Amino acid sequence: DIQMTQSPSTLSASVGDRVTITCRASQSISSWLAWYQQKPGKAPKLLIYKASSLESGVPSRFSGSGSGTEFTLTISSLQPDDFATYYCQQYNSWWTFGQGTKVEIK
Amino acid sequence: QVTLRESGPALVKPTQTLTLTCTFSGFSLSTSGMCVSWIRQPPGKALEWLARIDWDDDKYYSTSLKTRLTISKDTSKNQVVLTMTNMDPVDTATYYCARMPAVASPGYFDYWGQGTLVTVSS
Repeated sequence: DIQMTQSPSTLSASVGDRVTITCRASQSISSWLAWYQQKPGKAPKLLIYKASSLESGVPSRFSGSGSGTEFTLTISSLQPDDFATYYCQQYNSWWTFGQGTKVEIK
Repeated sequence: QVTLRESGPALVKPTQTLTLTCTFSGFSLSTSGMCVSWIRQPPGKALEWLARIDWDDDKYYSTSLKTRLTISKDTSKNQVVLTMTNMDPVDTATYYCARMPAVASPGYFDYWGQGTLVTVSS
């Protein structure tokens, strides 16, 4: 199975900050990567697919980049609604998720 | 408007079989390329993919759980059913169903149900 490792596990930031979350795959997954946002008690919400394609309706402050084994999710200017847990997910070979990165208020 | 909703028991006893139903609307599982998966999340932990069923009835299972899982669909009712045998307290989790869109390389989940919490306890 392909393992997905996110860093950091927790990130403290302020409104307006630029935030970057990293996801590493245990082997190359080309660009077959998605990012999700999850708030407490809610289902995950798709933000990015194919590493850098923004899902319809998702604010443009979210962006994704990378290919192969290293990927990043960037929030250009953190908004109050963005405090949540973020997961990466590979779909190159079966389907596995990272362990999550919690973005909390500094 | 695409919606999915999970239903099933909130509490099951160890060794029992869990049956969950995903009822969806806004799309058809008879559409070429469409897929539905089940994913679970233990309290405070990460997401784990469990099973997938395709429009053409192809099925895929988590390697670690495949002996315990069965996925099926009823296209006429717009439902996908997951059964998991021999439930254990470690299977306590919120179980989600999610749609995988009919695109060239399906693999991400664009719509999710709200999830159903299943607790395994005697």
